[in-house]
Amino acid sequence: DAEITQSPRHKITETGRQVTLACHQTWNHNNMFWYRQDLGHGLRLIHYSYGVQDTNKGEVSDGYSVSRSNTEDLPLTLESAASSQTSVYFCASSESKGGGNEQFFGPGTRLTVL
Amino acid sequence: AQSVTQLGSHVSVSEGALVLLRCNYSSSVPPYLFWYVQYPNQGLQLLLKYTSAATLVKGINGFEAEFKKSETSFHLTKPSAHMRDAAEYFCAVSPQGAQKLVFGQGTRLTINP
Repeated sequence: DAEITQSPRHKITETGRQVTLACHQTWNHNNMFWYRQDLGHGLRLIHYSYGVQDTNKGEVSDGYSVSRSNTEDLPLTLESAASSQTSVYFCASSESKGGGNEQFFGPGTRLTVL
Repeated sequence: AQSVTQLGSHVSVSEGALVLLRCNYSSSVPPYLFWYVQYPNQGLQLLLKYTSAATLVKGINGFEAEFKKSETSFHLTKPSAHMRDAAEYFCAVSPQGAQKLVFGQGTRLTINP
């Protein structure tokens, strides 16, 4: 069965360190998205990609970067982790044809920045 | 810009009672609308979506939602709550022709025995 996986599931790091969160999907979807979930804010879009070599900034992109070298993966990098980036991060993917497409979500990565 | 407002961050109902979770959107053109559910320590999964076909949309687990253009609303209902419905529910909007989603703040549903 197709799926979307994230690793690690839990991560503790220190302020200033670079951190990369992995996202891998086997749906063969062109669209991939990264969100962060914080209490009272719902999910907010960090970055997204509509295909290989395509990346776009979302609502809360400062301090984050992504790259898309193949269809399956969209790693999220925190260049210099800050305590404000402590959050739960979700990756999602969807088809690109038409509109109103369901996004399929990974299980999430809980990141703590000390 | 598209936005979504979910009225009530917490809703508590008794088992067997009606569930009503409210969602209002802002858009000059009817968008695509979604309800997602998140169970503890899991990702989100789709409950139902509106894509300009029928205004009453039926989803999984007995949930349904009605699109009302005049009220810019897309409220989620279930006639009879079960304990397994306890979760966080998110309303989301996507402009027609776009692929991104904008989420509401979420509503935590608690079911009392």
